[in-house]
Amino acid sequence: DADVTQTPRNRITKTGKRIMLECSQTKGHDRMYWYRQDPGLGLRLIYYSFDVKDINKGEISDGYSVSRQAQAKFSLSLESAIPNQTALYFCATSDKLGTVGVEAQHFGDGTRLSIL
Amino acid sequence: RKEVEQDPGPFNVPEGATVAFNCTYSNSASQSFFWYRQDCRKEPKLLMSVYSSGNEDGRFTAQLNRASQYISLLIRDSKLSDSATYLCVVNMRSGNTPLVFGKGTRLSVIA
Repeated sequence: DADVTQTPRNRITKTGKRIMLECSQTKGHDRMYWYRQDPGLGLRLIYYSFDVKDINKGEISDGYSVSRQAQAKFSLSLESAIPNQTALYFCATSDKLGTVGVEAQHFGDGTRLSIL
Repeated sequence: RKEVEQDPGPFNVPEGATVAFNCTYSNSASQSFFWYRQDCRKEPKLLMSVYSSGNEDGRFTAQLNRASQYISLLIRDSKLSDSATYLCVVNMRSGNTPLVFGKGTRLSVIA
């Protein structure tokens, strides 16, 4: 079984719909992240969470919201989807490494989201 | 200066060649450095961490140059299966901030 699981893997929906992407992990990591990736733009951080109930905005949080109700789960919502939110979305996790440096991040398989 | 900067490539090399990528970072206080590999439309996967003393894993060698603020990745005896995008990843500030990902360098190994 994958350590970081994203659902759904693929989703096609219409403009204006509310969409939720789920991420669950069995790695026991405290830290979780949501990214989107568009061709030529690399990975862009949407939101991140360092613990349950801890939520932080990333580079491109407008139009998105997240929920971290349990250590193992971090969900991303698009309240009213628009076509330019069509992208590949990744969830990632990492462990805390004291006060010096950070642990590497581990990614889920991704969710391909298309908004028509 | 961008936080993490990489030459996007593509680097087109024949099988068996040696190829090297550099990546520059802007924050001299950065402590953690990684190379990730990403295949087309797949998730990034950790290739190796980069330590101050440098490290080697088979055909792959990573180096850190703090004075010039860059890290490098050397791939020896390139294989077709090495074709991918290589992402340079750095923490910009303290341990309480997310990692910053470069946009990647694309490598194509040609038969």
